[in-house]
Amino acid sequence: AQSVTQLGSHVSVSEGALVLLRCNYSSSVPPYLFWYVQYPNQGLQLLLKYTTGATLVKGINGFEAEFKKSETSFHLTKPSAHMSDAAEYFCAVIGQGSQGNLIFGKGTKLSVKP
Amino acid sequence: GAGVSQSPSNKVTEKGKDVELRCDPISGHTALYWYRQSLGQGLEFLIYFQGNSAPDKSGLPSDRFSAERTGGSVSTLTIQRTQQEDSAVYLCASSRGLDADTQYFGPGTRLTVL
Repeated sequence: AQSVTQLGSHVSVSEGALVLLRCNYSSSVPPYLFWYVQYPNQGLQLLLKYTTGATLVKGINGFEAEFKKSETSFHLTKPSAHMSDAAEYFCAVIGQGSQGNLIFGKGTKLSVKP
Repeated sequence: GAGVSQSPSNKVTEKGKDVELRCDPISGHTALYWYRQSLGQGLEFLIYFQGNSAPDKSGLPSDRFSAERTGGSVSTLTIQRTQQEDSAVYLCASSRGLDADTQYFGPGTRLTVL
């Protein structure tokens, strides 16, 4: 069975600082990994995903994530935070060969201080 | 093009009443998912439809929950005899149905059971 752990339910950074949101997964089969963002009172929007190939994945809004199999991690980073990045971020996994439903982490709420 | 739409956006009901939540997926998407987002449980998978196949109901929390998808398009999630613990945001997503395809989420229906 797949599972996802996001370390830190709340992360606060200053505008212009590095953003690092942590995600570790558990999967008995090679995983597909996703990061979604949810702005207040809105649905989820895909930031980026890893399926196969290059382990460093670039997404929208300057975010990127690196799949590290040895560490079972898929941390999300952005070099310089912007006020508009304040939102909740969810890491999710699908096991290859599964029905395709996403297994989500608990989410990390990112605050950006001016 | 149009995204996933859900109605109503908000629903307030009394304990014991039945409710119906509607999802209109992106045209041409064969896969449709329902998820529930609540403070205590995070984002949980409920049910999955793929084309004309039997739905995967493995995430439904009780037999009070049911869903159907008519004509391979619109889906309705029905909750019978609502309980206060059913209060949550119900999210619908659709995808092309291929392995690890991006799931596009609707804005959700916020259900409050008094």
